[in-house]
Amino acid sequence: SAVISQKPSRDICQRGTSLTIQCQVDSQVTMMFWYRQQPGQSLTLIATANQGSEATYESGFVIDKFPISRPNLTFSTLTVSNMSPEDSSIYLCSADRGGNEQFFGPGTRLTVL
Amino acid sequence: GQQVMQIPQYQHVQEGEDFTTYCNSSTTLSNIQWYKQRPGGHPVFLIQLVKSGEVKKQKRLTFQFGEAKKNSSLHITATQTTDVGTYFCAGPSRAGGTSYGKLTFGQGTILTVHP
Repeated sequence: SAVISQKPSRDICQRGTSLTIQCQVDSQVTMMFWYRQQPGQSLTLIATANQGSEATYESGFVIDKFPISRPNLTFSTLTVSNMSPEDSSIYLCSADRGGNEQFFGPGTRLTVL
Repeated sequence: GQQVMQIPQYQHVQEGEDFTTYCNSSTTLSNIQWYKQRPGGHPVFLIQLVKSGEVKKQKRLTFQFGEAKKNSSLHITATQTTDVGTYFCAGPSRAGGTSYGKLTFGQGTILTVHP
């Protein structure tokens, strides 16, 4: 299985600011994904990040609000822009090493005041 | 679009009792995966089922994939307090017939085990 780390693990931010979350995988992976999860809820896919191409966003999520970078096969970032309290959530990255199953990072718990 | 429904939403059991969660997809799935998320943790992959009617076991956990490949179940025998957490099923999302590796997660079943 892949080992995935995320930074920061948690943050408290002011309304209107932006936060960039980093996701590092210990080995090269083709596909990386970003999810949002409200406490006690399921996972909602934000976007798929593939190296060398633009991220693919799910319905309800746009690049201006959640810009994603994927500069190489082991790293990705998600930025939550112009934050509002509604963006308070847990943000998770995951990676697919080609066997269909996904391995998740520990998550970033974001609180927006 | 594709939907993956999971029931029950919550299950409270006494330690030693059995537990089952059920997953139903609106479309036929090429495979189904199960994940466990401990309280405060992140989802951890448990298993993937691929074949119609497949049954796999992991110690006290039994996973089944329906004959039509549209439903699945996870059964835990003689639950322990270490089984506490949320169990998610997930199937490949489909876009024009290709999943591109994306998954659609069920709503999850939150399991509480009382000692």
